[in-house]
Amino acid sequence: SQQGEEDPQALSIQEGENATMNCSYKTSINNLQWYRQNSGRGLVHLILIRSNEREKHSGRLRVTLDTSKKSSSLLITASRAADTASYFCATRLYGNNRLAFGKGNQVVVIP
Amino acid sequence: ETGVTQSPTHLIKTRGQQVTLRCSSQSGHNTVSWYQQALGQGPQFIFQYYREEENGRGNFPPRFSGLQFPNYSSELNVNALELDDSALYLCASSLGEGRGNTGELFFGEGSRLTVL
Repeated sequence: SQQGEEDPQALSIQEGENATMNCSYKTSINNLQWYRQNSGRGLVHLILIRSNEREKHSGRLRVTLDTSKKSSSLLITASRAADTASYFCATRLYGNNRLAFGKGNQVVVIP
Repeated sequence: ETGVTQSPTHLIKTRGQQVTLRCSSQSGHNTVSWYQQALGQGPQFIFQYYREEENGRGNFPPRFSGLQFPNYSSELNVNALELDDSALYLCASSLGEGRGNTGELFFGEGSRLTVL
């Protein structure tokens, strides 16, 4: 099964800065989703972008999708200490209700 | 809060034992997926249940089995536990296919299993 792979895997930034994470995948997808996980707890859905969309915004989040390069990026603007977490991209294939997750990006926002 | 609850939150077992993990799905969701997350890794798909039947399985051996009940709650059973089974087990509920489901998952907080 395909898997998203995030780059970079660990990011440390100052509060107020922007954080950018990238994700690549291998086959055609139905949609791509980003999730957040705090300290080994459950994952929380952040944003979904469909294969026919190129950019989407939700609050301080901006996600882009380039299907020709099979890659996506997640931008968190004006980061806060509370944004400290692991961020995962996950891809959903057509006709398939399962998600394939990447290894995750650990983001630390320093107050 | 997603409305998905899992139990127990933590448990310790010894190699060779069996374990049952439980999950209550969010109201209105008829699909439950189970994922295994090893330390420092992303979640790996174990299997999914839709309307009480297995509806897809990942690369896990048969000693990983599950059930879904008429109220859409679910169990994950693991027999003959191995040390590598130590992980966070996540349950996620969602709407089934054909109801505008985009595949967004609603996760519980997980059950952390340690195998000694």
